[in-house]
Amino acid sequence: QSALTQPASVSGSPGQSITISCTGTSSDVGGYNYVSWYQQHPGEAPKLMIYEVTNRPSGVSNRFSGSKSGNTASLTISGLQAEDEADYYCSSYTSSSTPVVFGGGTKLTVL
Amino acid sequence: QVQLQESGPGLVKPSQTLSLTCTVSGGSISSGSFYWSWIRQPAGKGLEWIGRIYTSGSTNYNPSLESRVTISVDTSKNQFSLKLNSVTAADTAVYYCARYVAVALYFDPWGRGTLVTVSS
Repeated sequence: QSALTQPASVSGSPGQSITISCTGTSSDVGGYNYVSWYQQHPGEAPKLMIYEVTNRPSGVSNRFSGSKSGNTASLTISGLQAEDEADYYCSSYTSSSTPVVFGGGTKLTVL
Repeated sequence: QVQLQESGPGLVKPSQTLSLTCTVSGGSISSGSFYWSWIRQPAGKGLEWIGRIYTSGSTNYNPSLESRVTISVDTSKNQFSLKLNSVTAADTAVYYCARYVAVALYFDPWGRGTLVTVSS
């Protein structure tokens, strides 16, 4: 069982917007602004999409944005494209026994 | 641009030791404020953090694996390594090495990953 809770799957049509949630506790997501998001296409390594809740690395499309409210962080993808179909994982710093926790992952399907 | 590449046996027998090496290119493993990390992913499942080593040599491990894990660094070869002993089929997974940025606490970049199967 993952420390952070993500929906198993989300879907959307091309051009639409979707949001993936990542729920933790005050010991991780809610307590620190160190949430990051990763995109993983089948057979590939995860790729950093968002760090420190809202920051986008250079080269990542501005269609990807992050936010946080309380113990829940969110990744929003606007203007969905077929290439966005992938698994998405959130991660957070945590003050618990491990310094890093991951979500269970969300499979995004572009209809 | 820093790149990471995992290497090691793809098949390990039960009860033996899994050994992997991550070679860092495009930058020195000794410079900057980074944790050099190992993460694994069983087939069809999510990511599990294994542990990390700081540029100073200090280590942190996942408590669920701590009794079996050792991470070390060889600065002369610009490599860091993972050893996991007493493996079972539950340790079968794709193993990734990644750089964890100490200031902003995120993983980037990642290696391409290597599949390790535990089987007799």
